[in-house]
Amino acid sequence: DAMVIQNPRYQVTQFGKPVTLSCSQTLNHNVMYWYQQKSSQAPKLLFHYYDKDFNNEADTPDNFQSRRPNTSFCFLDIRSPGLGDAAMYLCATSRGRQGLETQYFGPGTRLLVL
Amino acid sequence: AQSVTQPDIHITVSEGASLELRCNYSYGATPYLFWYVQSPGQGLQLLLKYFSGDTLVQGIKGFEAEFKRSQSSFNLRKPSVHWSDAAEYFCAVGAASGGYNKLIFGAGTRLAVHP
Repeated sequence: DAMVIQNPRYQVTQFGKPVTLSCSQTLNHNVMYWYQQKSSQAPKLLFHYYDKDFNNEADTPDNFQSRRPNTSFCFLDIRSPGLGDAAMYLCATSRGRQGLETQYFGPGTRLLVL
Repeated sequence: AQSVTQPDIHITVSEGASLELRCNYSYGATPYLFWYVQSPGQGLQLLLKYFSGDTLVQGIKGFEAEFKRSQSSFNLRKPSVHWSDAAEYFCAVGAASGGYNKLIFGAGTRLAVHP
């Protein structure tokens, strides 16, 4: 029944060591999103894919990249993690990007940077 | 700039009591409004959403929310809380950006339920 799957659920990395988080979906949705959620803060949109079209938010650091090799999978790459990148990373999907489209979220990956 | 404010960081209620979670938004046009719930270890799940029509909207799990344009509010309510409602609740506005809508979330309200 799992619809949006994130692996791993917990990830520990070292300062400056590249890390990749993964998200997959069984909903066949067109849009996949990545959010960053720091402790006691609102989820913040980093970027999203509409099909193969990548849309970066203006304030997303260059350190964050994303790949979507096919409809089902999307990856978040952090090229050189800093201590400030420790957070919960949420993946979400939706059919479209307009109006009242519902976003479906995965359980998140908690990233710890040592 | 668009923003969402949830004034209450933590709320504790007794099981069976009524609940109201506050949400205020700042948005120039007619907003798309959402409430999501995040239970421990789970992703965010949509409770309800609103754009137009009846200002009282029903959602899942017995929740409802009322849109009040004059107060820029979209408060979430439940008449009788169950222990399983303990979770974090996020209000969000769908804001137009570059030809599409993106969600802008509030910081959340964490609900604890006493037996």
